[in-house]
Amino acid sequence: DIQMTQSPSTLSASVGDRVTITCRASQSISSWLAWYQQKPGKAPRVMIYKASSLESGVPSRFSGSGSGTEFTLTISSLQPDDFATYYCQHYNSYPWTFGQGTKVEIK
Amino acid sequence: DVQLVESGGGLVQPGGSLRLSCAASGFTFSIYWMSWVRQAPGKGLEWVANIKPDGSEKWYVDSVKGRFTISRNNAENSLYLQINSLRAQDTAVYYCASNRYPYIVAGGLGYWGQGTLVTVSS
Repeated sequence: DIQMTQSPSTLSASVGDRVTITCRASQSISSWLAWYQQKPGKAPRVMIYKASSLESGVPSRFSGSGSGTEFTLTISSLQPDDFATYYCQHYNSYPWTFGQGTKVEIK
Repeated sequence: DVQLVESGGGLVQPGGSLRLSCAASGFTFSIYWMSWVRQAPGKGLEWVANIKPDGSEKWYVDSVKGRFTISRNNAENSLYLQINSLRAQDTAVYYCASNRYPYIVAGGLGYWGQGTLVTVSS
C-alpha cells in the first residue's frame, strides 16, 4: 500500500499568512493526488485534484503543486473560513489512502 | 443540486451486520464511480471501497475484504454497503462519495454525503 505522510500535523497561523502543507507519498503516484478540506461535523470538500487543478468554486488563494512523491497545498493569504483540517489522498492504485491530516488553527 | 444522503447507521453489537444506503440525486448516478469512505471518531479519513458505474468492478481496503460488500442499483440511484462481522474498530461515520469525473476512476472524490454513524459496541 502507498503511505501518505502529511506535515505538519498541526499548524498555527494568523489571518493573512501564507500557509504551506506538505504531503509525501511512499512511492511515485504521478499527479494522482487530491486535497480535501474538512470542518468539524462536516463532510470533506475537494479543493484540488490531479495535484494542481483547482476545483470549481474554490478560491484562487488555494493552489497545489508537485508530482511523483512530494506535493504541497498552499494558501496564499489565510482567511477566517480556511481554518479547518486538510487531507491529501492518492488515487494512483488501490487501496486509495489519505494522509493523516493537517489541522490549521488560529494563532 | 447534487445530493448524496446516507442512511442505515446505528448501534450494533460486535459480530453483527448492517446495510448502509446512499440515495443520489441531481446528477447522472449511473455513469460515476462511487466510493465509501469512513472516519472513526476524532480520527482521519479512510477509503473503504469503490464500485464501477456498471457494478462490474469493485475494490476494497484490505481490512474490510470478506466482510464488506459494496453494490449499487442504478435504476434507483442508490449505493449500498453491506457490512458483516462488525468489530469495534469499524465504529465510524461512513460517507458515500462520487468520483469527480463521469466514467473514469481518476479525479478524486467530488461530491460527498453527510455521513451515517455506525457504532459497534456491546
